[in-house]
Amino acid sequence: QKEVEQDPGPLSVPEGAIVSLNCTYSNSAFQYFMWYRQYSRKGPELLMYTYSSGNKEDGRFTAQVDKSSKYISLFIRDSQPSDSATYLCAMRGRDGGSQGNLIFGKGTKLSVKP
Amino acid sequence: NAGVMQNPRHLVRRRGQEARLRCSPMKGHSHVYWYRQLPEEGLKFMVYLQKENIIDESGMPKERFSAEFPKEGPSILRIQQVVRGDSAAYFCASSQDRGGYGYTFGSGTRLTVV
Repeated sequence: QKEVEQDPGPLSVPEGAIVSLNCTYSNSAFQYFMWYRQYSRKGPELLMYTYSSGNKEDGRFTAQVDKSSKYISLFIRDSQPSDSATYLCAMRGRDGGSQGNLIFGKGTKLSVKP
Repeated sequence: NAGVMQNPRHLVRRRGQEARLRCSPMKGHSHVYWYRQLPEEGLKFMVYLQKENIIDESGMPKERFSAEFPKEGPSILRIQQVVRGDSAAYFCASSQDRGGYGYTFGSGTRLTVV
């Protein structure tokens, strides 16, 4: 089993739809959870981050972490064509040693149609 | 703030040649990370460096790959005797501290081995 599993999609939705992106993981040592957005031919950019379990909201984006289920989600409300990108989940353990290195999912390619 | 600068953006090498990828971290960042992204794959950790020190190279292939982050100048990822399987996007990221949430990524160097 891979440390981080993410459905690669592609996922196509109409403009204005609610998008749900998910990752599962196997390493119970992961404590920091992040979502990155990557446009074609660009580097990943940090979108959302959470520590341990719980929810975090930022504008149209909501990140959720359920450590008991080893499951994280990113919700995008009122999706826009400009949200079309690949979304990568990333996570890591405590600081120090290899636990501090970010482990990424494969990414989900999202397309929002006008 | 110029962000994380990587060059060249595109690099073509013949099999057997050497590839040198450069990364200048964000101003004030002393931690540098290199990741490789193969087609249809997520980002894979390669190496973590601080100035003049390799802290964690657990993701580096054992042969042909090396990295450095000298006291002055950019971090360098060197691939000797490149093979077709080395074709990928190589991303550099930097952070101010080891901890915290995520890193700032550069736009990557796309290496093509012909």
